[in-house]
Amino acid sequence: DSGVTQTPKHLITATGQRVTLRCSPRSGDLSVYWYQQSLDQGLQFLIQYYNGEERAKGNILERFSAQQFPDLHSELNLSSLELGDSALYFCASSVWDSYTEQFFGPGTRLTVL
Amino acid sequence: TQLLEQSPQFLSIQEGENLTVYCNSSSVFSSLQWYRQEPGEGPVLLVTVVTGGEVKKLKRLTFQFGDARKDSSLHITAAQPGDTGLYLCAGETGTASKLTFGTGTRLQVTL
Repeated sequence: DSGVTQTPKHLITATGQRVTLRCSPRSGDLSVYWYQQSLDQGLQFLIQYYNGEERAKGNILERFSAQQFPDLHSELNLSSLELGDSALYFCASSVWDSYTEQFFGPGTRLTVL
Repeated sequence: TQLLEQSPQFLSIQEGENLTVYCNSSSVFSSLQWYRQEPGEGPVLLVTVVTGGEVKKLKRLTFQFGDARKDSSLHITAAQPGDTGLYLCAGETGTASKLTFGTGTRLQVTL
């Protein structure tokens, strides 16, 4: 158990819908990262927040957004969902924002029908 | 775009055999991490290497960071069924802590 929690574990929805994925980092960790893992693209970095502020952006679509709240939990919002958005979404956390090891949560499996 | 190529992509071996997984890039990384991921779970960090030429051992696993910090290898001695999983290398640049993940090596160890 990494100490990172993610909810829900599974999510099934339809195209065009909007969903929110939630992540609670390890106790004491200030940074949260979001990743998308699909069979054909591997593990792709989406976005990072550090102590409530956006720190780095990766291959995140404009239909996706994230935020980190004062209690350091984070939410990833996915809207206008398409079939290709079906994937595993992982959250990871680390103590600081650089040169640190990241600890991954168990992931949310999103299926868009 | 920084790319991390891993080889081989798939590896199926018998218990007791040795194996090496390679992680190569044309980019220089400030650190490189190795993860193992089991089906339906998140990647679990195995090791971080920081210094060029560094070698780290974790029981039967030996990790090496290339002198130029562009490549790395993972060697497993006397593989066991419990080593089965997806092995991912991930490189970190000094400008941001976002990790660039490798393409992955899926290892299966059978009895």
